[in-house]
Amino acid sequence: AAGVIQSPRHLIKEKRETATLKCYPIPRHDTVYWYQQGPGQDPQFLISFYEKMQSDKGSIPDRFSAQQFSDYHSELNMSSLELGDSALYFCASSNQGVGWAGGYTFGSGTRLTVV
Amino acid sequence: KQEVTQIPAALSVPEGENLVLNCSFTDSAIYNLQWFRQDPGKGLTSLLLIQSSQREQTSGRLNASLDKSSGRSTLYIAASQPGDSATYLCAGANTGNQFYFGTGTSLTVIP
Repeated sequence: AAGVIQSPRHLIKEKRETATLKCYPIPRHDTVYWYQQGPGQDPQFLISFYEKMQSDKGSIPDRFSAQQFSDYHSELNMSSLELGDSALYFCASSNQGVGWAGGYTFGSGTRLTVV
Repeated sequence: KQEVTQIPAALSVPEGENLVLNCSFTDSAIYNLQWFRQDPGKGLTSLLLIQSSQREQTSGRLNASLDKSSGRSTLYIAASQPGDSATYLCAGANTGNQFYFGTGTSLTVIP
């Protein structure tokens, strides 16, 4: 079965650089969520999109932005990177149209290291 | 904001033991609850989902229950195996659009 695809798997950037993370949800899933998991921490919600519109916003820094495109894939853009942005970034998808019957399906994550 | 606590933070058991992981929420109005497994440096694998109308779910050696009146969930693992060693995270959602994660229980099953 198709899963949530995230790219790249690993990314190394220098401070003050920009990074773009991509997420491709499960086919027919209309909602995408982004989470950040720092070392030894639980995942923290950043932002979500439903039908290409932002639906909820969590602890996402102003330096970050995201959008969902017409094919439902989503991109998380991170600018002016800081050392503290080093983390595992997860994308999850669900189908709001049938409620939360399927729960969340998570991708394998993108590990961002800022040096 | 929903706060999620998992107890114990770490657990080490010999192979074959049955064990229980606990999860509690400060806001007991849980709509959906999901248990995940995470291996070191890896992604989140969904184990069990308890939807709003349910109280319990079972999959193989795993059983999860949710007591909405108290905002507590338990994950029961029967006949533990070394391959069960991982961090187990519970996550709950109110009626909003996001899950709140617990801090996880790190499980080690000793052969």
